[in-house]
Amino acid sequence: DAEITQSPRHKITETGRQVTLACHQTWNHNNMFWYRQDLGHGLRLIHYSYGVQDTNKGEVSDGYSVSRSNTEDLPLTLESAASSQTSVYFCASSEAGQETQYFGPGTRLLVL
Amino acid sequence: DAKTTQPTSMDCAEGRAANLPCNHSTISGNEYVYWYRQIHSQGPQYIIHGLKNNETNEMASLIITEDRKSSTLILPHATLRDTAVYYCIVRENLSTGGGADGLTFGKGTHLIIQP
Repeated sequence: DAEITQSPRHKITETGRQVTLACHQTWNHNNMFWYRQDLGHGLRLIHYSYGVQDTNKGEVSDGYSVSRSNTEDLPLTLESAASSQTSVYFCASSEAGQETQYFGPGTRLLVL
Repeated sequence: DAKTTQPTSMDCAEGRAANLPCNHSTISGNEYVYWYRQIHSQGPQYIIHGLKNNETNEMASLIITEDRKSSTLILPHATLRDTAVYYCIVRENLSTGGGADGLTFGKGTHLIIQP
């Protein structure tokens, strides 16, 4: 069955380190998204992509980057991890022209 | 996107119908009503969406009032596994010109199914 996966599911890192969170979907969806979820804030959009080589900044993009070299993957990189980036990160995808988004299981990131 | 208002929390007995209301009084003509839910420690899950007609799928029914200013998500026979936060989101559909940017999740309704 087609699916969307995230790895790792849990990650502990230190302040200042570079961290990359993986997102992989097998639906062949053009659109992919990264959100973070913190208590009291709900889900907030970090970056999104409409297709290969396309990336766009979301509401809380500072300190994060993404690249889209193929349809299936949208890795999220924290260039220099900060304690404020401790959060749960969700990846999602949707078909081109469709609004319904399908979410991955999430990655819990702790920055010490 | 139009703003939505939902109750903070609701209880429902297992086996009964759970009716979750949502107000979206500023909805525009080309905006759809979407419902997602998030079970604890999982990613959000799409449930259903509609424009103005009532909709039903294997998970739920969506009732939209004639003036489209409010809607109700109905889980016909709630189970303990339906305990989750339910989000009502109003969005312009991509096919009518909406952008494929992120969904705006509010606080949602925490639905607790009681045994």
